[in-house]
Amino acid sequence: AQKITQTQPGMFVQEKEAVTLDCTYDTSDPSYGLFWYKQPSSGEMIFLIYQGSYDQQNATEGRYSLNFQKARKSANLVISASQLGDSAMYFCAMFQGFQKLVFGTGTRLLVSP
Amino acid sequence: DGGITQSPKYLFRKEGQNVTLSCEQNLNHDAMYWYRQDPGQGLRLIYYSQIVNDFQKGDIAEGYSVSREKKESFPLTVTSAQKNPTAFYLCASSIGGNAYEQYFGPGTRLTVT
Repeated sequence: AQKITQTQPGMFVQEKEAVTLDCTYDTSDPSYGLFWYKQPSSGEMIFLIYQGSYDQQNATEGRYSLNFQKARKSANLVISASQLGDSAMYFCAMFQGFQKLVFGTGTRLLVSP
Repeated sequence: DGGITQSPKYLFRKEGQNVTLSCEQNLNHDAMYWYRQDPGQGLRLIYYSQIVNDFQKGDIAEGYSVSREKKESFPLTVTSAQKNPTAFYLCASSIGGNAYEQYFGPGTRLTVT
């Protein structure tokens, strides 16, 4: 069965610095997709970035980039130039089968001035 | 504005009562999903529906029921058979079968006492 592991319950970073949030996954399917979502204190889930298993290049979306290391089964999220508004929970997820997303337990990021 | 609405934001019920959570989308998405989130946890899939009048159980369907009579609406009923119903419930939708295009509603926090 597919599984997502996020080993960092909390991370601290100073404003304007970069931070890496770790995510490892386990699957036997050759075709899969990995996602990162942000959940502010208000509760909604905000899609950040997607990486397909066959994508040759690491995904990037503005200040977000995904460090995809297929052989190590890791898909770490890198946030560059952190902002105070980046403080939130961050979830790594993988799609399982045709429709289902499997989520990790999340990492709480706190950005300090 | 297109999006997903969930109402109410906070819901309180007495133990033994059934309660229905609303989810409406105007994104013209075919697929809809219900997730449950417990404190310090990731999201777990309760039910999903790929088309009208069809739905499948997710990983934790026991004690829940759904209907999909209209494309725009996917209400979730938390029955008295659900042993620990207090949680944060998130509804999502996606275009067809593409799991990476899931958009989330703001969530409903259900408290059962």
